[in-house]
Amino acid sequence: ELKVEQNPLFLSMQEGKNYTIYCNYSTTSDRLYWYRQDPGKSLESLFVLLSNGAVKQEGRLMASLDTKARLSTLHITAAVHDLSATYFCAVVNTGTASKLTFGTGTRLQVTL
Amino acid sequence: EAGVAQSPRYKIIEKRQSVAFWCNPISGHATLYWYQQILGQGPKLLIQFQNNGVVDDSQLPKDRFSAERLKGVDSTLKIQPAKLEDSAVYLCASSLVPRTSGRGYNEQFFGPGTRLTVL
Repeated sequence: ELKVEQNPLFLSMQEGKNYTIYCNYSTTSDRLYWYRQDPGKSLESLFVLLSNGAVKQEGRLMASLDTKARLSTLHITAAVHDLSATYFCAVVNTGTASKLTFGTGTRLQVTL
Repeated sequence: EAGVAQSPRYKIIEKRQSVAFWCNPISGHATLYWYQQILGQGPKLLIQFQNNGVVDDSQLPKDRFSAERLKGVDSTLKIQPAKLEDSAVYLCASSLVPRTSGRGYNEQFFGPGTRLTVL
């Protein structure tokens, strides 16, 4: 059974600081997604990572994937308050084409 | 392009009552998913349809939950009877036909969700 773990579960950081969220998964997969969820809202897709070594960047967020280590990271550069949200990674179960298993989520709070 | 629509947005019921949720996917999306998201957790897949056929319902509590997708477009998810532990947000998502090989991927687009409170 595929398991997906994120850490930390909660992150409080000051504006302007850098930090990394980690996503580990237990079995082989070749696709990983990062989503953002604001309180009371639905999921917004941020990145899809398709291969080993893939790196995607959008604004202050950068995601990477190491399929050999079964690890993805979401790096936040010079955080701003607008990035406060919960971030989920989700991994595609190999052989299922599209079944996603989500991580536990990381609640990010950026303080002034 | 219109997104995934869900209704109602909020529902409060007492335990042992029945409830139904409705989802209208993005036009042209053959695959539809229902997820359950309990407070503080990531979404968990309940059921996946491709057109009007069930692809995966391994995590659907079939003694109380049912879902259908008539004509391969809209879908309803029903809970009968509800339990306290069913309190959650129920998310519907849709995607194009998933690919099982090659470099393609099929992003899932999520609706706003229905927040269910069971008292």
